Amino acid sequence: DSGVTQTPKHLITATGQRVTLRCSPRSGDLSVYWYQQSLDQGLQFLIQYYNGEERAKGNILERFSAQQFPDLHSELNLSSLELGDSALYFCASSVETDAYEQYFGPGTRLTVT
Amino acid sequence: GQNIDQPTEMTATEGAIVQINCTYQTSGFNGLFWYQQHAGEAPTFLSYNVLDGLEEKGRFSSFLSRSKGYSYLLLKELQMKDSASYLCAVHSGGSYIPTFGRGTSLIVHP
Repeated sequence: DSGVTQTPKHLITATGQRVTLRCSPRSGDLSVYWYQQSLDQGLQFLIQYYNGEERAKGNILERFSAQQFPDLHSELNLSSLELGDSALYFCASSVETDAYEQYFGPGTRLTVT
Repeated sequence: GQNIDQPTEMTATEGAIVQINCTYQTSGFNGLFWYQQHAGEAPTFLSYNVLDGLEEKGRFSSFLSRSKGYSYLLLKELQMKDSASYLCAVHSGGSYIPTFGRGTSLIVHP
């Protein structure tokens, strides 16, 4: 158990819908990262927040957005869902923005039908 | 950009030794990670190499050659529970965000 929690564990929804994935980092960690893992793309970095502010952006679609709240939990919002958005979404956290060791949560498996 | 290559799949026998290779092409290399990921589960950190050479941690060792853009993960005394995907990832260009390879699926059989 890494100490990072993610909800929900599984999510099934239809194309065109919008969903919100939630992540709580390890106690004391200020930095949160979101990753997408699909069978054909591997683990892809989406976005990073540090202490409430966006710090780095990766291959995140415009239909996706995220935020980190004052209590440091983070949410990833996915809208206008497409079949290709079906994937495992992982959240990871680290103490600082430049800490090399990230602790991954259990993931949310999103299935878009 | 970055390019990270590792074999798609490997098989090995319980009790044996296996070496999983990773080659990378990147500018401004900072460090290289290895993660283990069991099917449907979160990646777990195994090692982080910044300098050339071999770092040993129990049954697992990781080697880095920066001049060759090459790393390997060595797993000794293989156990069935070592069946998993092993992800190579690189930090580069001043960014602390790792770029992951596609992973090597290791199957350990009796």
